[in-house]
Amino acid sequence: DSGVTQTPKHLITATGQRVTLRCSPRSGDLSVYWYQQSLDQGLQFLIQYYNGEERAKGNILERFSAQQFPDLHSELNLSSLELGDSALYFCASSVRDVVNEQFFGPGTRLTVL
Amino acid sequence: AQSVAQPEDQVNVAEGNPLTVKCTYSVSGNPYLFWYVQYPNRGLQFLLKYITGDNLVKGSYGFEAEFNKSQTSFHLKKPSALVSDSALYFCAALNRNQFYFGTGTSLTVIP
Repeated sequence: DSGVTQTPKHLITATGQRVTLRCSPRSGDLSVYWYQQSLDQGLQFLIQYYNGEERAKGNILERFSAQQFPDLHSELNLSSLELGDSALYFCASSVRDVVNEQFFGPGTRLTVL
Repeated sequence: AQSVAQPEDQVNVAEGNPLTVKCTYSVSGNPYLFWYVQYPNRGLQFLLKYITGDNLVKGSYGFEAEFNKSQTSFHLKKPSALVSDSALYFCAALNRNQFYFGTGTSLTVIP
């Protein structure tokens, strides 16, 4: 158990809908990262937050957004969902910045029908 | 474009034999390099990283990796493979707060 929790584990929704994925980092970790893993695109870094502020942006679509709250938990919002958004979404946390070891959550499997 | 390549989708090795999982990178500057392992239906687990210094980096579970700047490679190695090492392995490079992942190599250790 990495200490990073993600909810829900599974999510099934329809095209055009909006969903929110939630992540609670390990106690004491200030950075949260979001990743998307799909069969066709592999593992993609989406975005990083550090202590509530956006730190780095990767291949995140404009339809997606994220935030980190004062209690350091983070949410990833996916809107206008398309079939191609079906993937496993991982959250990871680290003590401070990207050089530190990242601890990954179990992931949320999103299926868009 | 910046990228990380893992040229082998699948690597099979007999238990007890040495294993190598290859990784090359095309990332500007002096990126930090990482190896992660993913077991079925689990998130990634950190194995090791290279930032600077000795080209041979030792990590978790007996794994090590060799950094070669001239060949822009960061191959993962283990002297003696275990069946429990069977998993998906990802190489990653970090530059300017951007992570670039390879496509993964599925390692199967045959008893």
